[in-house]
Amino acid sequence: GENVEQHPSTLSVQEGDSAVIKCTYSDSASNYFPWYKQELGKRPQLIIDIRSNVGEKKDQRIAVTLNKTAKHFSLHITETQPEDSAVYFCAARNSNSGYALNFGKGTSLLVTP
Amino acid sequence: NAGVTQTPKFQVLKTGQSMTLQCAQDMNHEYMSWYRQDPGMGLRLIHYSVGAGITDQGEVPNGYNVSRSTTEDFPLRLLSAAPSQTSVYFCASRKPGTANEKLFFGSGTQLSVL
Repeated sequence: GENVEQHPSTLSVQEGDSAVIKCTYSDSASNYFPWYKQELGKRPQLIIDIRSNVGEKKDQRIAVTLNKTAKHFSLHITETQPEDSAVYFCAARNSNSGYALNFGKGTSLLVTP
Repeated sequence: NAGVTQTPKFQVLKTGQSMTLQCAQDMNHEYMSWYRQDPGMGLRLIHYSVGAGITDQGEVPNGYNVSRSTTEDFPLRLLSAAPSQTSVYFCASRKPGTANEKLFFGSGTQLSVL
């Protein structure tokens, strides 16, 4: 089955700096890659996603890049703010496994003022 | 719409007890799933369903049963609770197809098995 590795497990940045979280996947048939944000004590929420036919996608301060050849994708957050502090999960899905998403183990991001 | 509703929010069980975690959604989503979240382990898929009457196993199905008799409800049953099942459980649902794959999560159930 699909294996999603996520790094780093913790990340601390100063407000205004950029943060990058990286994920790799094992199944070359995977074609959908979402990122979820989970604030402390809350439910995970989708913040951005990308499909395998696109190399990059941006939404304001958040961007995701995908390298299909290397089987890795990354989340980039620019001009970080304290409210960006949360746990971020990457995930991957391939059409052969139906709707099931395989999540990475998460990155705890702390943005200090 | 209430979205995805999970009950209870908190539960303490003794080893060997059984219980059912409830999950209901009012968005007419065909796909529903259960995840468990443990520290440092991310979200692991337990069981999922692509429609009423259809269920399948995820990554960590042992010790859990599910059924899907209606589109709205997808309960998760622990037949004989074990301490290893202490976790936070999330139910999630989404629309079918690939036009919009956003997963809607419930607020979670924190389960402790003593």
